[in-house]
Amino acid sequence: GEDVEQSLFLSVREGDSSVINCTYTDSSSTYLYWYKQEPGAGLQLLTYIFSNMDMKQDQRLTVLLNKKDKHLSLRIADTQTGDSAIYFCAESTGGGNKLTFGTGTQLKVEL
Amino acid sequence: EAGVAQSPRYKIIEKRQSVAFWCNPISGHATLYWYQQILGQGPKLLIQFQNNGVVDDSQLPKDRFSAERLKGVDSTLKIQPAKLEDSAVYLCASSFVTSGGYYEQYFGPGTRLTVT
Repeated sequence: GEDVEQSLFLSVREGDSSVINCTYTDSSSTYLYWYKQEPGAGLQLLTYIFSNMDMKQDQRLTVLLNKKDKHLSLRIADTQTGDSAIYFCAESTGGGNKLTFGTGTQLKVEL
Repeated sequence: EAGVAQSPRYKIIEKRQSVAFWCNPISGHATLYWYQQILGQGPKLLIQFQNNGVVDDSQLPKDRFSAERLKGVDSTLKIQPAKLEDSAVYLCASSFVTSGGYYEQYFGPGTRLTVT
């Protein structure tokens, strides 16, 4: 079955890098995603990675994928207070058509 | 471009009452999803429409939940009768297929339902 796990909480200082980790179980996942959810808001797609890639960089965001270990990480460089939110990883076996979300990691950025 | 619209934003009802949520997807998006997000958890797919047809409703509690997407645009999700465990945020999303061949989902702000 499909299962996606994340640590619940991460606290960092402003300006430091944040690394949010995720493990998944479905080896047939084709796309893996990172979403951001701010209080009272819906989910915002941050970035995604195709399963045949190891790394993807998009401005301050770096996604690393270890397909052998089924491990996905999101690194946010120079973390700002505006990055405080809940981050969800999600996997899809249908090209994004059916998403299975993790439990979410709450990122708190302190001054 | 206007985003996914949902209403109401908040709803409080007593158990055994009925409630309905409305979603207006982004114009041109053929696929529409309803998710349930219980506090402290990730969203869980309830039902997926392609135009006005149901693609996947395997996780929809059909004894009390129903959804429709008449004319392939707006959608409504109904709960009748509501139970305490239905307290959650109900998220609507719509998607299009990118040139790369994958579905990019856009989410609405959600409706927060409290059942007392």
